[in-house]
Amino acid sequence: GAVVSQHPSRVICKSGTSVKIECRSLDFQATTMFWYRQFPKQSLMLMATSNEGSKATYEQGVEKDKFLINHASLTLSTLTVTSAHPEDSSFYICSARESSYNEQFFGPGTRLTVL
Amino acid sequence: KQEVTQIPAALSVPEGENLVLNCSFTDSAIYNLQWFRQDPGKGLTSLLLIQSSQREQTSGRLNASLDKSSGRSTLYIAASQPGDSATYLCAVNGRNTGFQKLVFGTGTRLLVSP
Repeated sequence: GAVVSQHPSRVICKSGTSVKIECRSLDFQATTMFWYRQFPKQSLMLMATSNEGSKATYEQGVEKDKFLINHASLTLSTLTVTSAHPEDSSFYICSARESSYNEQFFGPGTRLTVL
Repeated sequence: KQEVTQIPAALSVPEGENLVLNCSFTDSAIYNLQWFRQDPGKGLTSLLLIQSSQREQTSGRLNASLDKSSGRSTLYIAASQPGDSATYLCAVNGRNTGFQKLVFGTGTRLLVSP
C-alpha cells in the first residue's frame, strides 16, 4: 500500500519560534496533499489543501500567514507554523492523494507542543 | 454544510463480541465513505472505502455498509479482539464539499477487554 511519512514525529518548542513539519509520499507521486489538525479527543479538521506547484487553498478560519504550506515537489509538502504559541499545540496530520486513486493516504502525525 | 456524526462516542465490550459502529451524514450527495482506525497518538489507517454506488465492503472481520439515501453507514466488527481497541472514524467526500475534501465524524472509542 501507499506510504506517507512525516517528520518530525514530535516537537517541543518555545513560544515565538517557527516549526517546520515535512510530509512525504514514499512510493507514489502525490498530486494533492492535505494538512489536518486534531485537538485531544476531537476529530480531524482540514486546514488546507495543496496541489503540487500551486498555492495552497486554506479552509475558513485558518490563517495563511501563520500556517505556511509549500508543495514544491510531487513527493514533499511542508507545513511551517510561524511564531508558534501555546494554542497552536496540537496533533498535525498530513495525507496525500495520487490523481488516479480515490483514497487519501495518511501520515503518522506530528505532535507539536509549544511552551 | 456536511456534518458527520458517530454513535456511540465510546464503547466497551468483552473479547469475542460482535459489534456495530454507526455513522450518519447530513448531505447524501457523497462520492465515497471511508472508515479509518486511529490508535492513540498515531495517524490514520484506512480500513474500508465504499463508493457511493456500492452497498457494502468487507475486509476480514470487518464489514461496512452504506445507505446513501438515509445518510447512514455501519461498521460491523465480528469476534472482537483486544487488538481492535482504537478510535474508529468515518469520513465522507461529496459533491457539495468537493471530491477531494474529507469531512470526518466525531469518532467512536472502542475498548475490547480480554
